[in-house]
Parts: sequence; structure tokens; C-alpha cells
Amino acid sequence: AQTVTQSQPEMSVQEAETVTLSCTYDTSESDYYLFWYKQPPSRQMILVIRQEAYKQQNATENRFSVNFQKAAKSFSLKISDSQLGDAAMYFCAYRRSGMDKLIFGTGTRLQVFP
Amino acid sequence: DGGITQSPKYLFRKEGQNVTLSCEQNLNHDAMYWYRQDPGQGLRLIYYSQIVNDFQKGDIAEGYSVSREKKESFPLTVTSAQKNPTAFYLCASSTGSGVSPLHFGNGTRLTVT
Repeated sequence: AQTVTQSQPEMSVQEAETVTLSCTYDTSESDYYLFWYKQPPSRQMILVIRQEAYKQQNATENRFSVNFQKAAKSFSLKISDSQLGDAAMYFCAYRRSGMDKLIFGTGTRLQVFP
Repeated sequence: DGGITQSPKYLFRKEGQNVTLSCEQNLNHDAMYWYRQDPGQGLRLIYYSQIVNDFQKGDIAEGYSVSREKKESFPLTVTSAQKNPTAFYLCASSTGSGVSPLHFGNGTRLTVT
């Protein structure tokens, strides 16, 4: 069975600095999709970024980028120029090709200090 | 605006009572999902439905039931058989598989005493 592991329960960063959140996954599949979601205190789940496994180029969305290492089964999220509004729970998720459901990690709580 | 509506936001029930959580979407998505969120455990899949009148069990389906009579609606019933029902419940929808993301509702916090 596929699993997603987020080994950092909590992280903190100074405003304007850069932080990297880790995510590893276990799968025997070669075709799959990876996602990062943000859950602020409102508890609304917001898509941050997504990556297709067949694409070697790392996805980027403004200040958010990923480091996708397929062989290592690693999918870390880098947040540049951190802002107070980035404070939230961040969840990594995996979807196997041909499947609807997403499998989520346990989340990393990010604190941003002024 | 298109989106997913979960109601109510907070729900309180006595132990032994069944309770139904509502989820409605107007995104014209085929697939809908129910996840449960507990502290330190991330999101765990309860049930999902890829098409009307069809649904599949997720990882923690015991003590829950669903129906999908309309494309727009996917209600979740938490039965008295669910041993630890107090949790935050999230409904989501998507166009299907691939890179299409899940769109989430705002969640329902269920407290059973």
C-alpha cells in the first residue's frame, strides 16, 4: 500500500526567510501525482502546488516550489520569502495514476515569526 | 461562485445517535470524497464516489455510511457503530484522476458526548 510520510511535525521560520518542508512516499508505481495542500487556522484546505511524476521539471507557483526526487521518492516544498500568512498546516498527498483518491501525510505545522 | 458546501459547521450529538453530515457541490464534478481529520493523523479517507449511485469504502469506513443519489450531493452518516466519532470531517470533489486536485469544503466539526 502506498504511504506518505511527513517527518517534521512542526517547523518555524522567520518572516522573509526560506523554509523547506519534507515529504517522502512509498510506491511501486511509476506514474503518479503529488500535491501540497495548506490548511490555515480557518481549516479550509487550499491547493498550493502539484507535480506529475513523469515531468522532470520541478513545479513552481510564485514563492512556492518543489524539489521532486523520483528515485528517492521525495517531494519537498520550499517556501521563499516567508510571510505571516504562510503560517498553517501543510499536507503532502499522493495519487496513483488511474485512481481518484488522494493519500495524505500527517502534516507539518509551520509557524512564521516576525 | 462554484464550490462545496458542508453543513453544519459544528454538530453536537449524544452517544448512540446517528447523525448525517451534508455535502453539496456545484462544480459539476463526478468524484466526491469524505475524509476524517484527527490531530496528528492527517486526513484519512472514509468513502469516495466516482459516479452517481456508486461508492467505495476508504481506509476507515467502519461505522459510516454514504449515498450518492445525485451528482451534487454526497451525505455522510455517522452511525452509532462508529466507536470514536468526534472529529473534523472534510468533504471534497474533483473532476477525476490525474493531476486534477481535490476541492474541499469548509468542514464539519462533530462532537459526540
